[in-house]
Amino acid sequence: QVQLVQSGAEVKKPGASVKVSCKASGYSFTSYHMHWVRQAPGQGPEWMGRINPSAGSTRYAQKFQGRVTMTRDTSTSTVYMELSSLRSEDTAVYFCATENAWVAAAAYWGQGTLVTVSS
Amino acid sequence: DIVMTQTPLSLSVTPGQPASISCKSSQSLLHTDGQTYLYWYLHKPGQSPQLLIYELSKRFSGVPDRFSGSGSGTDFTLKISRVEAEDVGVYYCMQSIQLPLSFGQGTKLEIK
Repeated sequence: QVQLVQSGAEVKKPGASVKVSCKASGYSFTSYHMHWVRQAPGQGPEWMGRINPSAGSTRYAQKFQGRVTMTRDTSTSTVYMELSSLRSEDTAVYFCATENAWVAAAAYWGQGTLVTVSS
Repeated sequence: DIVMTQTPLSLSVTPGQPASISCKSSQSLLHTDGQTYLYWYLHKPGQSPQLLIYELSKRFSGVPDRFSGSGSGTDFTLKISRVEAEDVGVYYCMQSIQLPLSFGQGTKLEIK
């Protein structure tokens, strides 16, 4: 079965960077886009961007352009999301989510990674 | 960017009764390939969001048939024919016809 296992919770100071990993299993890793979605406390989900694990190509939401970098390691079926210049408003749960053969959007989700930005 | 607007923001339903959630998009979600790229998710407390409905009306694997999606163009509805206690959580609609993907504000379903 499809599994997406994310790295553990992080606490960062304002101005720092955070890198969250998402290890995929149970399907062909390079066949489907991986998306990153975050949810701040009390708010709805917010799409950050996606990566094509085969080509490594990315599309980012304009809001995060210049601050987010998504990468992948095909040898370990892992994608990474790095967010820099963190501020308190970046405190959120970050999810990775993959497509599948029938769903061209977020079909399967990781368990989420809480990133807390606090001085 | 496409704006998704859900109503109501909260819903309290007696078990066994139906429930309905509306979602409107600022642009048509009907693609030239004939598909409507509208999705419904349920986010239960302490869990990851789970996909219920994709491409307007297709139930995802394992989703009970009491969940159904309908609508067209810019107006969509998620219906639960008979609400059960396990259906509590926040429901979101989402569009994928255009990047960035965008979500509604969410509808919180509670059990009376």
